[in-house]
Amino acid sequence: DAKTTQPPSMDCAEGRAANLPCNHSTISGNEYVYWYRQIHSQGPQYIIHGLKNNETNEMASLIITEDRKSSTLILPHATLRDTAVYYCIVRVTTNTGNQFYFGTGTSLTVIP
Amino acid sequence: DTGVSQDPRHKITKRGQNVTFRCDPISEHNRLYWYRQTLGQGPEFLTYFQNEAQLEKSRLLSDRFSAERPKGSFSTLEIQRTEQGDSAMYLCASSSTTQKSTDTQYFGPGTRLTVL
Repeated sequence: DAKTTQPPSMDCAEGRAANLPCNHSTISGNEYVYWYRQIHSQGPQYIIHGLKNNETNEMASLIITEDRKSSTLILPHATLRDTAVYYCIVRVTTNTGNQFYFGTGTSLTVIP
Repeated sequence: DTGVSQDPRHKITKRGQNVTFRCDPISEHNRLYWYRQTLGQGPEFLTYFQNEAQLEKSRLLSDRFSAERPKGSFSTLEIQRTEQGDSAMYLCASSSTTQKSTDTQYFGPGTRLTVL
């Protein structure tokens, strides 16, 4: 079962920053937070991940609170091509490996 | 393009028929995952391999489903006696535990199955 909670939908004006929140209050100390996005009818696309520290790459920034119970994905200058479903995932470590449990995500619409 | 390929991209079949999907992971990725995604839902984990060993199977994977990764490279997912409830997107992902990538999964484009 998903260990994350996200708002079902959000809008963002083109060119503005999109801030997508995620709650993961039951996260364990060694569990990573991952973000993926999925554009209609395509496979999920990896965006970014982190454990404790804030992370930034060419696509986005990930801000993780100090208690690690929530995080925010920031798309600094949203474009129309960023319209997608964004999934926040806590990677769970089992006896046999690492598992992703997806929720229903946040549907982001970038408005011209 | 992540480097994970799936074939076919679309499959339409009649109820009761068997279907087989193929996934080619990123070269040298030792882990391979299968997921199923229905409309409006996030992907659901089905099973995963480390090299050729199938290490975990979800309770979603009924007896009609079987997956193989015979040489630790490509994988196949077979559904026998398909039912209309099997209609979904089947996604494959791969990851590496041998690189400094913290086991990040990279997904293929998926195979969309429609059972009539």
